[in-house]
Amino acid sequence: GIQVEQSPPDLILQEGANSTLRCNFSDSVNNLQWFHQNPWGQLINLFYIPSGTKQNGRLSATTVATERYSLLYISSSQTTDSGVYFCAVEVSNDYKLSFGAGTTVTVRA
Amino acid sequence: NAGVTQTPKFQVLKTGQSMTLQCAQDMNHNSMYWYRQDPGMGLRLIYYSASEGTTDKGEVPNGYNVSRLNKREFSLRLESAAPSQTSVYFCASSILQGAWTNEKLFFGSGTQLSVL
Repeated sequence: GIQVEQSPPDLILQEGANSTLRCNFSDSVNNLQWFHQNPWGQLINLFYIPSGTKQNGRLSATTVATERYSLLYISSSQTTDSGVYFCAVEVSNDYKLSFGAGTTVTVRA
Repeated sequence: NAGVTQTPKFQVLKTGQSMTLQCAQDMNHNSMYWYRQDPGMGLRLIYYSASEGTTDKGEVPNGYNVSRLNKREFSLRLESAAPSQTSVYFCASSILQGAWTNEKLFFGSGTQLSVL
């Protein structure tokens, strides 16, 4: 099956800092999503972004499908950004999302 | 609008016991999924149902069964629980757009299951 690799595995930030999370995948995909799991375990969909760039407040994401990677940018980080960020991809004709292992982000006040 | 609702939130079982995790969505989504989350391993797909009346195996189906009861409900059953099934279980749903693509996946709040 498709391999999804996220980096870095852990990230510690000072409040107000910017950061970039990366997701590499091993095959062509027709669906890529970013999720945030908060410290209470709730998973929230951040972006549906199979290609191109999207922005939502302080978060933005870019997927370069031809080079098989996606980036999630966090700007002016806040303590509420803490949690685990997952990238998930779907291969064509698959109907299933495969998840990476996640990046654990800790934002310190 | 409740979204995706899972029950129970917590459960402790003894080895060999059976139980069913319930999931319901009120967003009129076509596709529903069961994932398990273990430390350091992300989420792994157990079973999914692309549409009402169909179910298929995911990455880790052994030891589980599912039922797509109707468009709203998708249950996961453990027939004989084992300690290796200790995990957090998430139900999810999405609307099927176009021929092959599921857009945004929405998750329930999870079930923390311990098998002793």
